[in-house]
Amino acid sequence: AQRVTQPEKLLSVFKGAPVELKCNYSYSGSPELFWYVQYSRQRLQLLLRHISRESIKGFTADLNKGETSFHLKKPFAQEEDSAMYYCALNNYGQNFVFGPGTRLSVLP
Amino acid sequence: EPEVTQTPSHQVTQMGQEVILRCVPISNHLYFYWYRQILGQKVEFLVSFYNNEISEKSEIFDDQFSVERPDGSNFTLKIRSTKLEDSAMYFCASRSLEGLGNSPLHFGNGTRLTVT
Repeated sequence: AQRVTQPEKLLSVFKGAPVELKCNYSYSGSPELFWYVQYSRQRLQLLLRHISRESIKGFTADLNKGETSFHLKKPFAQEEDSAMYYCALNNYGQNFVFGPGTRLSVLP
Repeated sequence: EPEVTQTPSHQVTQMGQEVILRCVPISNHLYFYWYRQILGQKVEFLVSFYNNEISEKSEIFDDQFSVERPDGSNFTLKIRSTKLEDSAMYFCASRSLEGLGNSPLHFGNGTRLTVT
């Protein structure tokens, strides 16, 4: 069965510090991985997807098939990055499986 | 940029009543979804819909739930007899057919359903 885990419910960092939000998945095939962000009282928005290999708002994520991970990283956190972050997996089918989410709090 | 829209933003209903949550997906999208998020918990898949029929549904999506695309634009979720545990934020999402493997979900703002 497909499963996405995000071990940290809450992650607090100071402004300017590096941040890494962990995501691990279990799936036997080659999934497509996504990161979604939910700012306070707003909709879930796509942040990035592994196939694009792009950097959005300074965030990057690399798919590591050996470790079955897709950790989200940013070298210098900003206060406006404070939000809920969800890792999601799609197996080229229709369903997306979401992780439980990590709340990132960037302190001034 | 086109968006998924959901109405109402907040719905309060009494236990046992029927509710209909409405969504207008992005116009050229062909896959439609409902997810829910109970307060403080993860985003859970309910159902996906394609070509006018349910393509996948979760264990949560029991006989009390149904979906419909009554016209060319709306996509609705009906709960026939609401229970207290149905209280949650319900998100509609849509997705294009293009590059299906990596086309992302686009979410609406959600409808907060409160069952009293």
